[in-house]
Amino acid sequence: GQNIDQPTEMTATEGAIVQINCTYQTSGFNGLFWYQQHAGEAPTFLSYNVLDGLEEKGRFSSFLSRSKGYSYLLLKELQMKDSASYLCVVADGSYQLTFGKGTKLSVIP
Amino acid sequence: DVKVTQSSRYLVKRTGEKVFLECVQDMDHENMFWYRQDPGLGLRLIYFSYDVKMKEKGDIPEGYSVSREKKERFSLILESASTNQTSMYLCASSPTGDRGPTDTQYFGPGTRLTVL
Repeated sequence: GQNIDQPTEMTATEGAIVQINCTYQTSGFNGLFWYQQHAGEAPTFLSYNVLDGLEEKGRFSSFLSRSKGYSYLLLKELQMKDSASYLCVVADGSYQLTFGKGTKLSVIP
Repeated sequence: DVKVTQSSRYLVKRTGEKVFLECVQDMDHENMFWYRQDPGLGLRLIYFSYDVKMKEKGDIPEGYSVSREKKERFSLILESASTNQTSMYLCASSPTGDRGPTDTQYFGPGTRLTVL
């Protein structure tokens, strides 16, 4: 079966750094995506990892360890607009993606 | 920029009505998807299509059907709407590329459907 675990909610302070963890168990693996979703809006693509290691894109970085079935999304210099849900999504090589339930991040002043 | 559009942002229908949700993408993507998103349950795949006139059931196809007559358009049909189909419906499209059968999925703005 397919299973993705990520925390339900997190709170962090403006200007700080926050790490959102994700563990997965899937029948196959063809990459891991992170999406951002603001309340009432559609998910938007943030990052993609298929090889082990860290991918950096501005204030956002994503890490993958395939042997551990583990990824994290790192957000630096948090801004109020980063308040959103963050979805961990795994591609298993089929046409379907497996979505985590999302981590709701609240950034407070 | 990839653009995925959905016919309505908000829709209110009555139990038993037939409901059509339309999705159009302008990037010549092979793959299109319909999801519903409910609090605490995340995104769940209803149907997807990897080519014109081709369709595959996702995790929760019961009560829904789809149509893909043209590459850019993928329609979701609720044959007889019920209150438990009240939800946010999201359409997505993706190319078939180097990342395998489905590359990054690009989402439309969503349709919030209420069935009374």
